[in-house]
Amino acid sequence: ETGVTQTPRHLVMGMTNKKSLKCEQHLGHNAMYWYKQSAKKPLELMFVYSLEERVENNSVPSRFSPECPNSSHLFLHLHTLQPEDSALYLCASSQYGQGSTDTQYFGPGTRLTVL
Amino acid sequence: AQKITQTQPGMFVQEKEAVTLDCTYDTSDQSYGLFWYKQPSSGEMIFLIYQGSYDEQNATEGRYSLNFQKARKSANLVISASQLGDSAMYFCAMRDQGGSEKLVFGKGTKLTVNP
Repeated sequence: ETGVTQTPRHLVMGMTNKKSLKCEQHLGHNAMYWYKQSAKKPLELMFVYSLEERVENNSVPSRFSPECPNSSHLFLHLHTLQPEDSALYLCASSQYGQGSTDTQYFGPGTRLTVL
Repeated sequence: AQKITQTQPGMFVQEKEAVTLDCTYDTSDQSYGLFWYKQPSSGEMIFLIYQGSYDEQNATEGRYSLNFQKARKSANLVISASQLGDSAMYFCAMRDQGGSEKLVFGKGTKLTVNP
């Protein structure tokens, strides 16, 4: 595997379900991100992890819970979601630090539908 | 606050012709980075090109070039010799290099390449 991978690619869940999205980066980066992309809205940053510590949480509802066990893996745990949470969830990684352009490389995304 | 504006919701171009996608930005920072991404209908965000605010030359990557006009705060993407596979959404983004990992995206431009 190369680059950034995400599983599953598609997910349909009910409002009472609990599911998790997985992201893995094979680029040796030290920062990982979760973004939400809804129809007709700009990409929204949800969480940033740098060196496995969460450094930013853009006031995301608690029904979204991130986990970063190591620098290569990032999870987004979902529970009691709402239909308006249906969106494309994108994971990205970058090499953050002095001298780096900190270009973010994205995975293919998980298309989530909440019924 | 940083802001990215993409004023063209949709653009059309004939195959093999060049096209310019507009991007203007607003920031009070002296040091920042500008990025362009391509998003095909499959959903993945593909990094195309990067321009640093202190770079004296316009960035180029194959058929992509960035027309950087710092005084006008514009960072237009030029695609030369358009191909059918260039049909996609294109997003301009900016990152403050003062310590934040946050990437701010524009709303995007949908490019359609006609045969």
